[in-house]
Amino acid sequence: EPEVTQTPSHQVTQMGQEVILRCVPISNHLYFYWYRQILGQKVEFLVSFYNNEISEKSEIFDDQFSVERPDGSNFTLKIRSTKLEDSAMYFCASSEGSPNYGYTFGSGTRLTVV
Amino acid sequence: GENVEQHPSTLSVQEGDSAVIKCTYSDSASNYFPWYKQELGKGPQLIIDIRSNVGEKKDQRIAVTLNKTAKHFSLHITETQPEDSAVYFCAGAGSQGNLIFGKGTKLSVKP
Repeated sequence: EPEVTQTPSHQVTQMGQEVILRCVPISNHLYFYWYRQILGQKVEFLVSFYNNEISEKSEIFDDQFSVERPDGSNFTLKIRSTKLEDSAMYFCASSEGSPNYGYTFGSGTRLTVV
Repeated sequence: GENVEQHPSTLSVQEGDSAVIKCTYSDSASNYFPWYKQELGKGPQLIIDIRSNVGEKKDQRIAVTLNKTAKHFSLHITETQPEDSAVYFCAGAGSQGNLIFGKGTKLSVKP
């Protein structure tokens, strides 16, 4: 069964450093998403991406965050200057249709900011 | 925007009993309601979903019901097994397809 692949599975970074989280969505999917989950809390929407541009973003997705689809297969989330409160699981997801068909999550990247 | 409330936050049942988790949503324009199971250290896995044009959907031991008038939907698991133990999240689809999640229900099935 097709899956969404995320790397790395765990990343530790120092406060103030930049991190890039990587995702390979399912190949025929057109919509891409990033979510985060702070330990013990609910999954929160960050951003959706379609047709090479952001289609919607939440209040969490401030100027420190950016997304990119650099090469037609990867989908990245960059945090420019990490803060302690950015520590969370970050999930990538993709869907084939607009927007709720075949919605599939990756296994996540655990980001720890120290 | 959409807001999804989920109850209960924890649920403990005996193996073989049924479990019911309930969610309410605020945006009457929402039309897609998935349920996810999340095991420790893993991403959410879709277990069942329902669209607003149907009132009930079943898949073996799992069923979901939707009441559009009251804006609530429920997950029903029958004949629970220990491997059903996990955190379950309901969600509603926002205007752009982004999912708004409930806070989750930790289900424990005791053998």
